[in-house]
Amino acid sequence: QQPVQSPQAVILREGEDAVINCSSSKALYSVHWYRQKHGEAPVFLMILLKGGEQKGHEKISASFNEKKQQSSLYLTASQLSYSGTYFCGTDGGATNKLIFGTGTLLAVQP
Amino acid sequence: NAGVTQTPKFQVLKTGQSMTLQCAQDMNHNSMYWYRQDPGMGLRLIYYSASEGTTDKGEVPNGYNVSRLNKREFSLRLESAAPSQTSVYFCASGRTYSNQPQHFGDGTRLSIL
Repeated sequence: QQPVQSPQAVILREGEDAVINCSSSKALYSVHWYRQKHGEAPVFLMILLKGGEQKGHEKISASFNEKKQQSSLYLTASQLSYSGTYFCGTDGGATNKLIFGTGTLLAVQP
Repeated sequence: NAGVTQTPKFQVLKTGQSMTLQCAQDMNHNSMYWYRQDPGMGLRLIYYSASEGTTDKGEVPNGYNVSRLNKREFSLRLESAAPSQTSVYFCASGRTYSNQPQHFGDGTRLSIL
């Protein structure tokens, strides 16, 4: 039931782009994205809802394919501050009870 | 602007000891959650509470109990700690709708020897 994230890890140079994918085997109502820096709490990035509504930071974009039960997070012109582990959380029932993926480690180098 | 406050931040227990992790939020959220985070496993939901007076099991509830004391506070209890419960525990709160983010506390790092 845990969503599958890919890739597991990615290393970028500053200014490069990255895509992180999240795939579920169950029908989804929403997908949440969080970023966690080492030793810190996860921080909210974005929510994508069934039907197309999105809520989140202006500089981050994402997509949600309801039929394929997949979401992708797009990080463009990466900065050093983008480094961290990215988690998707999926909600199948509009309850805000999330099942999180195992995370994607992103390292941005100068 | 405290948000979600967890206590303690660090704790070391011996196998068989009991302990309660405390969590309080000041954002007037209805829902509160307890997660554990282990290397390579992501965040796994232990218990959640959709509103004051209600609690429900998550993915990994065995060995834990919870109490939603009031709207602000949600505690997690380990009755007889086991080494497999060594983990980082996060409390979160949010509104009970899927279009609302969850807000996390700073975590409790728990080691059981």
